[in-house]
This record gives sequence, C-alpha cells and structure tokens, in this order.
Amino acid sequence: QVQVVESGGGVVRPGSSLRLSCAASGFTMSSYGMHWVRQAPGKGLEWVALIWYDGSQEYYADSVKGRFTISRDNFQNTLYLQMDSLKDEDTALYYCARDRGSGSYYRPEDWGQGTLVTVSS
Amino acid sequence: DIQMTQSPSSLSASVGDRVTITCRASQSITSYLNWYQQKPGKAPNLLIYAAFNLQSGTPSRFSGSGSGTDFTLTITSLQPEDFATYYCQQNYIIPPTFGGGTKVEIK
Repeated sequence: QVQVVESGGGVVRPGSSLRLSCAASGFTMSSYGMHWVRQAPGKGLEWVALIWYDGSQEYYADSVKGRFTISRDNFQNTLYLQMDSLKDEDTALYYCARDRGSGSYYRPEDWGQGTLVTVSS
Repeated sequence: DIQMTQSPSSLSASVGDRVTITCRASQSITSYLNWYQQKPGKAPNLLIYAAFNLQSGTPSRFSGSGSGTDFTLTITSLQPEDFATYYCQQNYIIPPTFGGGTKVEIK
C-alpha cells in the first residue's frame, strides 16, 4: 500500500538549517507530485511546498520562499525539504504527502505521520 | 492567495445528529474544493474531493456540495468515530490553501 515516512525533525536554534526526508513506498514515486504541509502545535494546516513528478516545477508558500527548498530523488524514492534560516514560527509537525497526480492537482491525498521540527533558542 | 473561511470553528453534537460545516472561498474556485478529516495525533485524511466526490473508503453519511465560493460538508448521522477536526482546502490555484478547521466535539 501507499506509504510515506518522514524523518529528520529535531530541535534547532533560530537561524540554523535542517533537512527533512520522506521515504516513499508502495507506488511509483516518479509518477507523482509531492507536497510538504505543516501544522504548528494546536493550529491548522499550512501548505509549504510542492514539486512535480519529475522535479521540473517547484512551488512554495510565501512564508518559506527563499529559505526552504524542496527536492526529490526518484531513484531513491525520497523527497526532501531543505530548511535554512529557520525561525521560531517554523516550529511545526511537517507532513509529506503524495499529490493526486503529477503535481498539477494541488491536492495532497496520501499523508505520512509527520516529523516534528522545533525552533527554539 | 485565496482565503478559505470555515464556520463554525467548533461545534458540539450528539451521536446521530446531522452536522453541517461551511467553507467560503475569497474568490470563485469552481469545484476545486476538498475536505479532510483529522483525528488527534493523526495525519489528515482526504474525505471528499472536487466538492462532492467521496474518496474511496469514505462512509456514505458524508456528503459535500457547493460551487463557486460556498461549500458545505454534511454528516447525516454523526457516529462516534466522526469526532474530529475537518478542514476544507482549495486546489484551484497555487498556493493551495486550507480553511482554519472545524472541531466537532461530543455534546
């Protein structure tokens, strides 16, 4: 079955960097767009980034643009989120999710359980 | 960005009740509206896509309606496992945006 498993979260200082990973299995990752969506503690869902199936298109929320980079390795079936210049407000549970299609549906359908990022001095 | 506004932000209901949650978009999104359910400590789960289509596995007591800017999620007979937070999401245009959520609690 479709499975995505996030890793790489942790506690970091403001201004530092962190790279999240998402391991995909049970489907052909190279055929699907992939999202990152986050949820601050006790808050709602915030879409973060999307990458097309082949990596040709990337989209970002304004709140992370210029600081975060989404990428993928279709040979390793892995999605990444490089997070630089982290701020307190980036503290959240980060979910990886598969898009309905190649990336143009903008609809996360299959979600992992998330990895927690805490930015604190 | 398109703003998604849900109401109410929370509600209390009893098992067997009919529950209605509304979602309003700041501009027309035609039928590009999805509903997710999230239980405590769990990832969101897609319930309904494209305004009224049930995702595989979604019980038939859930239904969605609406188009343009106004949408509704209805649960016809609330079950114990339906107590959760519900989010609408527009996928009409980048960035995809979510509503603030509606928490359905036990009365």
